[in-house]
Amino acid sequence: DSGVTQTPKHLITATGQRVTLRCSPRSGDLSVYWYQQSLDQGLQFLIQYYNGEERAKGNILERFSAQQFPDLHSELNLSSLELGDSALYFCASSPTPWGRDQETQYFGPGTRLLVL
Amino acid sequence: QQPVQSPQAVILREGEDAVINCSSSKALYSVHWYRQKHGEAPIFLMILLKGGEQKGHDKISASFNEKKQQSSLYLTASQLSYSGTYFCGTWGETNFGNEKLTFGTGTRLTIIP
Repeated sequence: DSGVTQTPKHLITATGQRVTLRCSPRSGDLSVYWYQQSLDQGLQFLIQYYNGEERAKGNILERFSAQQFPDLHSELNLSSLELGDSALYFCASSPTPWGRDQETQYFGPGTRLLVL
Repeated sequence: QQPVQSPQAVILREGEDAVINCSSSKALYSVHWYRQKHGEAPIFLMILLKGGEQKGHDKISASFNEKKQQSSLYLTASQLSYSGTYFCGTWGETNFGNEKLTFGTGTRLTIIP
């Protein structure tokens, strides 16, 4: 158990809908990262937040948005869902904002999203 | 640009050694290695920084050749628990704050008894 929690574990929805994925980082970690893992594209970095502010941006679509709240939990909002958005969505946390040279990122168990 | 890993897949007998390579087309600041078992979250293995030394723990080690923009992960005397997909993640040597972690294509390692 990494100490990072994600809800829900599974999500089934229809195209065009909007969903919210939630992540609670490890106690004391200020950075939250979101990743998307699909069969054909591997593991893709989406976005990083540090202490409530956006820190780095990856391949995040305009239909997707995220935020980190004062209690440090983070939400990833996916809207106008398409079949291709079906994937595993992971969040990870770490104590520092320096993603490129920090020692460890702790991954949550993931949310499996299926868009029908 | 996504780093390229090789081989894509490898099958070993328990006790054999393996090398997984990660190559990038751009200058790198650091390389991260992860292992992921099917249906589970990736587990961080180690990070190698530009100018740093080869790292390792137990029978898993890694090197980073920043001039060649390559990293290699070495697994010696492999154990059944080493099975999984290994990913390298690279941070580019660009304007700080604008980089992103880019993951490699993955290498599926299967250890058989």
